[in-house]
Amino acid sequence: GAVVSQHPSWVICKSGTSVKIECRSLDFQATTMFWYRQFPKQSLMLMATSNEGSKATYEQGVEKDKFLINHASLTLSTLTVTSAHPEDSSFYICSVLTSGSPREQYFGPGTRLTVT
Amino acid sequence: GQNIDQPTEMTATEGAIVQINCTYQTSGFNGLFWYQQHAGEAPTFLSYNVLDGLEEKGRFSSFLSRSKGYSYLLLKELQMKDSASYLCAVVDSNYQLIWGAGTKLIIKP
Repeated sequence: GAVVSQHPSWVICKSGTSVKIECRSLDFQATTMFWYRQFPKQSLMLMATSNEGSKATYEQGVEKDKFLINHASLTLSTLTVTSAHPEDSSFYICSVLTSGSPREQYFGPGTRLTVT
Repeated sequence: GQNIDQPTEMTATEGAIVQINCTYQTSGFNGLFWYQQHAGEAPTFLSYNVLDGLEEKGRFSSFLSRSKGYSYLLLKELQMKDSASYLCAVVDSNYQLIWGAGTKLIIKP
């Protein structure tokens, strides 16, 4: 299956600062990547669908100006949490969707963000 | 609305067999995933079913009935390391993943 990496694996930042999380598809060119968020003891929640070369599609309730997504190449998508607040502390996970049939989804290892 | 139902928690004994059920109601269907997630880690892909029937992968098997909107994950010869949450997710007509809340599986010696 596809290998997906995320960087950083964990980050602590101060309230009001911005944090960038990278998601790389190491051995597969992904036109579609997903960004998820998981709060403690809750299921994964889809934040947005990242499409290479076009604007991301955000889920209802996700602020597009706060969570900036850039999918500039077939192997890299970035999520920037702008003006982070303690309530943004969460586990952020990206995934890639294969283009074959049937389509399969592979997840990155996740990034744990703590905003103090 | 779209809905995925699975039990919140299950307990089983090491060496035994456990079946985790998942029922779904979604707008369209393009497959069903099962994932395993240990606390603090990202989910790990277990299986993907798009056609009716049983798919076996070692100790894990997954079954799908599209007409009944039903799937199950079967775990055999349970090991302590199988203690985790098991997530059922359905791909809808827009290729969006609809997630269940997960089933926490507790394995006892």
